[in-house]
Amino acid sequence: EIVMTQSPATLSVSPGERATLSCRASQSVSSNLAWYQQKPGQAPRLLIYGASTRATGVPARFSGSGSGTEFTLTISSLQSEDFAVYYCQQYNNWPLTFGPGTKVDIK
Amino acid sequence: EMQLLESGGGLVQPGGSLRLSCAASGFIFSNYAMSWVRQAPGKGLEWVSSISGAGIGTYYADSVKGRFTISRDNSKNTLYLEKNSLRAEDTAVYYCVTVGSGWSFGVWGKGTTVTVSS
Repeated sequence: EIVMTQSPATLSVSPGERATLSCRASQSVSSNLAWYQQKPGQAPRLLIYGASTRATGVPARFSGSGSGTEFTLTISSLQSEDFAVYYCQQYNNWPLTFGPGTKVDIK
Repeated sequence: EMQLLESGGGLVQPGGSLRLSCAASGFIFSNYAMSWVRQAPGKGLEWVSSISGAGIGTYYADSVKGRFTISRDNSKNTLYLEKNSLRAEDTAVYYCVTVGSGWSFGVWGKGTTVTVSS
């Protein structure tokens, strides 16, 4: 099983600042990596797939990068609606696995 | 608009059974592989099971293999998850999800809550 880790567990950021979230896979997942955003009481929402392709309707301030075992989600200028938990997920191998999440909260 | 509506959750005793359903609308259901993803209270996301568009290929997490069965009825645009031998650790919100690019998860339902407790 591919183990996904995310850092930091919590990221405190002021509105308008840049946020950088990291995701690491225990073995290569190529570019088969997705990012999701989950707000309290809501279902997750797909942000990025293929490591760097934004899903339909996702604002351009969200960008993904990386391949192999190291990945990054960058939010260029945090808006109030971006404070949430972010999960990465690999879909290169079965079983499909998620990281534990990074909570982005208001500084 | 693609929509997914789960149902069938509730309170069940350990060892009991439950069947979840997910009604799909707004897209050609048979064109999409589908999945179930769950989230225990206060915890992260866990993939449970996936099924191909035609229903031929099925995949399970080790934690549910042999106890859960995923299926679909493309004539009814409905996805199912039959859950047997339920355990306390199966307590979670269960989300029905379309499979997007690769095996990423594109569209999510609002979820249905399953509580396993005596």
